Amino acid sequence: NAGVTQTPKFQVLKTGQSMTLQCAQDMNHEYMSWYRQDPGMGLRLIHYSVGAGITDQGEVPNGYNVSRSTTEDFPLRLLSAAPSQTSVYFCASIAAGGGTDTQYFGPGTRLTVL
Amino acid sequence: AQSVTQPDIHITVSEGASLELRCNYSYGATPYLFWYVQSPGQGLQLLLKYFSGDTLVQGIKGFEAEFKRSQSSFNLRKPSVHWSDAAEYFCAVGAGYSTLTFGKGTMLLVSP
Repeated sequence: NAGVTQTPKFQVLKTGQSMTLQCAQDMNHEYMSWYRQDPGMGLRLIHYSVGAGITDQGEVPNGYNVSRSTTEDFPLRLLSAAPSQTSVYFCASIAAGGGTDTQYFGPGTRLTVL
Repeated sequence: AQSVTQPDIHITVSEGASLELRCNYSYGATPYLFWYVQSPGQGLQLLLKYFSGDTLVQGIKGFEAEFKRSQSSFNLRKPSVHWSDAAEYFCAVGAGYSTLTFGKGTMLLVSP
């Protein structure tokens, strides 16, 4: 298993540009989430999905869109990038239910918006 | 609203010494509690979690944590720290993995 993969690893955008951060997992996990990590802020939940076709907002959803057309993929879209979206973005997945499950994180995407 | 406080931004521990990282939470019901570790430039790795049952939870890499409801705390401990434990540690609370609130992290430095 490749686990949770994220592309790209690094990205620089200009204000107003759009882009999609890719996230994929090959563990057949139902739950997937997107977080952003900013210095001194810990991780904050952007959006999450509990299964294909089902998404919901987290703590900081403004400026981001998600969709979940397949179990494997959970892309995060920035429609019009702003400097405040400069951050490191992490995708995570977990199998549904079960107290013994482990949450797996991807390696992250470092995004800079100029 | 749920929240997590990690009072120590940085902690320095000598190699071989014991470690305790503090975590206090605010949550309206019985919480699910987690500790994660992040090495530089890496994603997060789950160390341990508490859902219910025994309040002393064992995790990977020799870590343990104790849930104390009366103190709203979930402190992380390790009896003997290794240099490879140097990293940033995050405590988190929520109703499940999909709704986690993270603390701001504690950076652990290990001195020789």
